[in-house]
Amino acid sequence: SQQGEEDPQALSIQEGENATMNCSYKTSINNLQWYRQNSGRGLVHLILIRSNEREKHSGRLRVTLDTSKKSSSLLITASRAADTASYFCATDGRTQGGSEKLVFGKGTKLTVNP
Amino acid sequence: EPEVTQTPSHQVTQMGQEVILRCVPISNHLYFYWYRQILGQKVEFLVSFYNNEISEKSEIFDDQFSVERPDGSNFTLKIRSTKLEDSAMYFCASVAGRFQETQYFGPGTRLLVL
Repeated sequence: SQQGEEDPQALSIQEGENATMNCSYKTSINNLQWYRQNSGRGLVHLILIRSNEREKHSGRLRVTLDTSKKSSSLLITASRAADTASYFCATDGRTQGGSEKLVFGKGTKLTVNP
Repeated sequence: EPEVTQTPSHQVTQMGQEVILRCVPISNHLYFYWYRQILGQKVEFLVSFYNNEISEKSEIFDDQFSVERPDGSNFTLKIRSTKLEDSAMYFCASVAGRFQETQYFGPGTRLLVL
């Protein structure tokens, strides 16, 4: 089954604006993580939110989780050109037979124009 | 801050050749993973490794793939006879312990099979 499908696929905003990316998933989870990937580079962990949490903040990042809707959102406030990257949500498979693997979505490509 | 490292950053090989991708996980971490990302596609789980054995593998991880932790610090992924479709970015990740869910990723090895 597909997990962690982000939308929109691409988002272009001006510096200073807020960027909101959404993620939907299909099965039960223990936690959901957001990662960032600069073009052709590695994955940088941004934030982890557990299934019993509804909201979490880290600097300019705000993540929400709605387990009833099986969805999460990542908000980047006061965006900067350096925030230009692809953003992925990833869900853990631990409830699926004890797997600890992460299942990633296709990502949202964010472009912040100076 | 400790980080996962991977070598080489890029590798070009001929179809049918063997390649070994190397990773040095964060030193006190116990769980190790390989993922791959074909250009423009999702990050996909390949294999997880704990206590010197594979704990889970995906359908992608067929008999052509193997993993090893030869010396207590390195974690390697070997592809015995590469195919064109093995061209991808390969990421190593590690986790501190079973209940430390954040997976820390290396910068990746870009493999091109000609």
